[in-house]
Amino acid sequence: SYELTQPPSASASPGQTANITCSGQKLGDKFVSWYQQRPGQSPLLVIYEDKKRPSGIPERFSGSNSGNTATLTISETQALDEAVYYCQAWDRGTLFGGGTTLTVL
Amino acid sequence: QITLKESGPTLMRPTQTLTLTCTFSGFSFNTDGVGVGWVRQPPGAALEWLALIYWNDDKRYSPVLKSRLTVTKDTSKNQVLFSMTNMDPLDTATYYCVHLLDYCSVTSCPYFDHWGQGTLVTVSS
Repeated sequence: SYELTQPPSASASPGQTANITCSGQKLGDKFVSWYQQRPGQSPLLVIYEDKKRPSGIPERFSGSNSGNTATLTISETQALDEAVYYCQAWDRGTLFGGGTTLTVL
Repeated sequence: QITLKESGPTLMRPTQTLTLTCTFSGFSFNTDGVGVGWVRQPPGAALEWLALIYWNDDKRYSPVLKSRLTVTKDTSKNQVLFSMTNMDPLDTATYYCVHLLDYCSVTSCPYFDHWGQGTLVTVSS
């Protein structure tokens, strides 16, 4: 069965860039979405179709997808970006990665 | 403005059947491409997709849980019903309903652009 693999944790200092990866076999052939989940809240879509931002999501959030890896990049990281980030792709239904906890130190 | 809200029991006993209702507004199953899905999240764990239903009554289920799941819609009430049989303590989770549009194509794939607030279902004897 298809799997999406994310590192359990990532960190960045305020103002720096954070990169969160999501890996899967030939993931670049699929469309990837990313969700942000703050504690106690429902997930929020931050990137869809690899690199598109929904209205209201800051330009600091960007995405890419190639080969076996999709990447969510958060530039000029802020304390409010601390959250768990999930990638999502479709393969005989949809599936999520295991989530990456971003800490802004 | 699209909103979704889950409702149903908060406490279940093992072997019982869970039935949740998603009541939504801001969109309709009378619109081509509309879909509503279900996603759950055990405490402290990752998201897990469960099921979805489209405007045309096409239904998709998680291969892992397919034998236990049923999803139906009531277009006139703007509701989606979700059932899971033979509940187990491992099914303890927050259950979310989500909105999506359309199927995957060469140029796009659906995403969950609106989420309900979620409802915590605890399974315990």
